[in-house]
Amino acid sequence: GIQVEQSPPDLILQEGANSTLRCNFSDSVNNLQWFHQNPWGQLINLFYIPSGTKQNGRLSATTVATERYSLLYISSSQTTDSGVYFCAVVPGGSNYKLTFGKGTLLTVNP
Amino acid sequence: EAQVTQNPRYLITVTGKKLTVTCSQNMNHEYMSWYRQDPGLGLRQIYYSMNVEVTDKGDVPEGYKVSRKEKRNFPLILESPSPNQTSLYFCASKLRTGTSGRYEQFFGPGTRLTVL
Repeated sequence: GIQVEQSPPDLILQEGANSTLRCNFSDSVNNLQWFHQNPWGQLINLFYIPSGTKQNGRLSATTVATERYSLLYISSSQTTDSGVYFCAVVPGGSNYKLTFGKGTLLTVNP
Repeated sequence: EAQVTQNPRYLITVTGKKLTVTCSQNMNHEYMSWYRQDPGLGLRQIYYSMNVEVTDKGDVPEGYKVSRKEKRNFPLILESPSPNQTSLYFCASKLRTGTSGRYEQFFGPGTRLTVL
């Protein structure tokens, strides 16, 4: 099956810093989503981005489908950005099952 | 507001006592799915449904049942829960789009289940 690798596995930032999270995937995909899992366990949709670039406030994402990677940018980080960030993909012709990476644990200190 | 809801959000139960976790979506989505999340194992698909009365197994279906009698609801049934089913459960839904898998999936808030 498709492999999804996220890096770095852990990241510690001071409030106000910027960061880039990376997601590499091993095959072509029809769907790529970024999620934030908050400390209460909820999965929050950040981006649906199988290709191209999107921005939402301090967050933006870019997927280069031909090179099989996606990047999530967090600018001016806040303590509320802490949590685990997951990349998840749906390969072509599948049952729509999302295959998740192992996530990046982000800790933003005040 | 477009959303996926799950109930209960938290549940502590005992081995063998049948339980149902409900999932409902108000977006008229054909596709619905259940995942469980465990430390070190990530999120794994349990069952999915492409439409009413159409369900199929995911990667870890043992010990679970589902039904899809209405488009908006997709309950997860544990007939005889065991401690290894202690987990965080998520329901998800999306539009059905043939084989393309396009369009985002929306997740419920999660149900934290503990089986003693």
